[in-house]
Amino acid sequence: DAGVTQSPTHLIKTRGQQVTLRCSPISGHKSVSWYQQVLGQGPQFIFQYYEKEERGRGNFPDRFSARQFPNYSSELNVNALLLGDSALYLCASSLQGAVEQYFGPGTRLTVT
Amino acid sequence: EDQVTQSPEALRLQEGESSSLNCSYTVSGLRGLFWYRQDPGKGPEFLFTLYSAGEEKEKERLKATLTKKESFLHITAPKPEDSATYLCAVRPGGGGATNKLIFGTGTLLAVQP
Repeated sequence: DAGVTQSPTHLIKTRGQQVTLRCSPISGHKSVSWYQQVLGQGPQFIFQYYEKEERGRGNFPDRFSARQFPNYSSELNVNALLLGDSALYLCASSLQGAVEQYFGPGTRLTVT
Repeated sequence: EDQVTQSPEALRLQEGESSSLNCSYTVSGLRGLFWYRQDPGKGPEFLFTLYSAGEEKEKERLKATLTKKESFLHITAPKPEDSATYLCAVRPGGGGATNKLIFGTGTLLAVQP
């Protein structure tokens, strides 16, 4: 079975621009979470979506938004990019009621 | 405040030299402690989930244990392919449906042949 997939793999943007990152969960998984991992740090929770509804939000500004589609795939949008948004953005999926989360390979975002 | 602290930050071992990584945590109502392995530039790979003090889980050369305040990841006779960053995370309780994880900063393990 395919694992969690994310696109694109790498992305370079300029300050002030907007970016959309995409995630497809493991087949059968209905919950998707997004994390930001800055170099040298552990992942930080941004959002969780389950059955297309937001179930949790981390301490991130309103420039960050997300949504989940009927096929359970998800998009993370970041507006008005700042240099500090440069990071590895990770998507994780899990089964309903399960605690284990399985991560994708991530999208490396560089803001110049 | 929910918090996870991992030590040491980095560990260099010779092949076959066993050691342990530490994860201490402060959390309101633990709903699971997780260990992940992360290779450079890749997403974390799930290793173990522990739920209650006294629980132990094993996988190949790795063994994870849990107490009320900390978890240990024991590595027995490591090989160079065990080199990676090992991340510890907790899922807080406190109600709500979120499965938010709180991660430590990881331990970078290097195993030399």
